[in-house]
Amino acid sequence: SQQGEEDPQALSIQEGENATMNCSYKTSINNLQWYRQNSGRGLVHLILIRSNEREKHSGRLRVTLDTSKKSSSLLITASRAADTASYFCATAVYNQGGKLIFGQGTELSVKP
Amino acid sequence: NAGVTQTPKFQVLKTGQSMTLQCAQDMNHEYMSWYRQDPGMGLRLIHYSVGAGITDQGEVPNGYNVSRSTTEDFPLRLLSAAPSQTSVYFCASSYTDRGHEQYFGPGTRLTVT
Repeated sequence: SQQGEEDPQALSIQEGENATMNCSYKTSINNLQWYRQNSGRGLVHLILIRSNEREKHSGRLRVTLDTSKKSSSLLITASRAADTASYFCATAVYNQGGKLIFGQGTELSVKP
Repeated sequence: NAGVTQTPKFQVLKTGQSMTLQCAQDMNHEYMSWYRQDPGMGLRLIHYSVGAGITDQGEVPNGYNVSRSTTEDFPLRLLSAAPSQTSVYFCASSYTDRGHEQYFGPGTRLTVT
């Protein structure tokens, strides 16, 4: 069964605006990761946040994690047309053989 | 480094045929896995391996076999293809099985008629 549920399923914004995507999960985790998938391509790792971290930054990306609410958010600031892609959260539990459980993804469209 | 490579990129099979999807990585990663991606379903784990000679089932293993004879290669075999196996298949690898970031191949788009 899916661990992560993402919201919204689709998001359309103008270039320069910020984009926020949310992920909720069901069980305790060791880390949560965000991936990007451009159309017709494989997934690319963006950022990893551990369960004892609350916030992490990487360039224009900001990820937060609230383990009490079992939720995470990905913020992309000053979005560009090149950010158009699907974004997935994935959770890892170390004693489950390294498996990542993926959410269904958010489809982001950034219009120039 | 080539990273994670997958062949073929596209494949059409008839129901009942068998085939092997190839996956290789040149990063000396211990952990490798296979996912399928269907519209609205995200990625679902088929099989995974934590090292050569060790494999285990994921969420949707039925109809698929894997083996891991070397660190580099992790082929996925479809035993008797069914239309329900029409999907995009991704192979991924990771440094260890301790929840590190995974590196994905470009995918194989499979259609079963």
